[in-house]
Amino acid sequence: AQSVTQPDIHITVSEGASLELRCNYSYGATPYLFWYVQSPGQGLQLLLKYFSGDTLVQGIKGFEAEFKRSQSSFNLRKPSVHWSDAAEYFCAVGEETSYDKVIFGPGTSLSVIP
Amino acid sequence: GAVVSQHPSRVICKSGTSVKIECRSLDFQATTMFWYRQFPKQSLMLMATSNEGSKATYEQGVEKDKFLINHASLTLSTLTVTSAHPEDSSFYICSAPDGGDTQYFGPGTRLTVL
Repeated sequence: AQSVTQPDIHITVSEGASLELRCNYSYGATPYLFWYVQSPGQGLQLLLKYFSGDTLVQGIKGFEAEFKRSQSSFNLRKPSVHWSDAAEYFCAVGEETSYDKVIFGPGTSLSVIP
Repeated sequence: GAVVSQHPSRVICKSGTSVKIECRSLDFQATTMFWYRQFPKQSLMLMATSNEGSKATYEQGVEKDKFLINHASLTLSTLTVTSAHPEDSSFYICSAPDGGDTQYFGPGTRLTVL
């Protein structure tokens, strides 16, 4: 069965610093991968997704992620973090038989220091 | 863009009562919807897949008699928490794929059982 791990439970960065959130997946075939953000009191928002093609995926709000099959990773990056980026970030994988069925990782909580 | 709504956004009920949560796709039809549960500071756990016109598919460990799901139309799925107890208190989130490669999440329903 598919699974997703996010090694970092909580990360703190200074505003303006670069950010990388790690995600590793366990999957038999080519995975459908997603990054979502959940801000306090708000719903989930899709940042980006990877289905196939270019392994470097651009998303909204200046985020990007790189799919590395050899490392079973899909790390999220942003070159310069803004205070408004403080939120909970979830990496997720679509199930093999139905990519609509999404399995979420445990999440990484991001704090931003002004 | 497409929107998924949930009603109510917040509900408080007494132990032993049943609570119904609605999930609607507002401008697209969804033959499948998904229900998730999220405990405080935790990830989203997939509970079940709601299928229009047929029985829901429950994830392992989720009690189907406890969490009744009905997908009455192509735009509405309901989750009924029967005989609710304090341990059922949680944040319930639904999602609906638009038939393409995009899935939309509802804003969530906060259930508190006293």
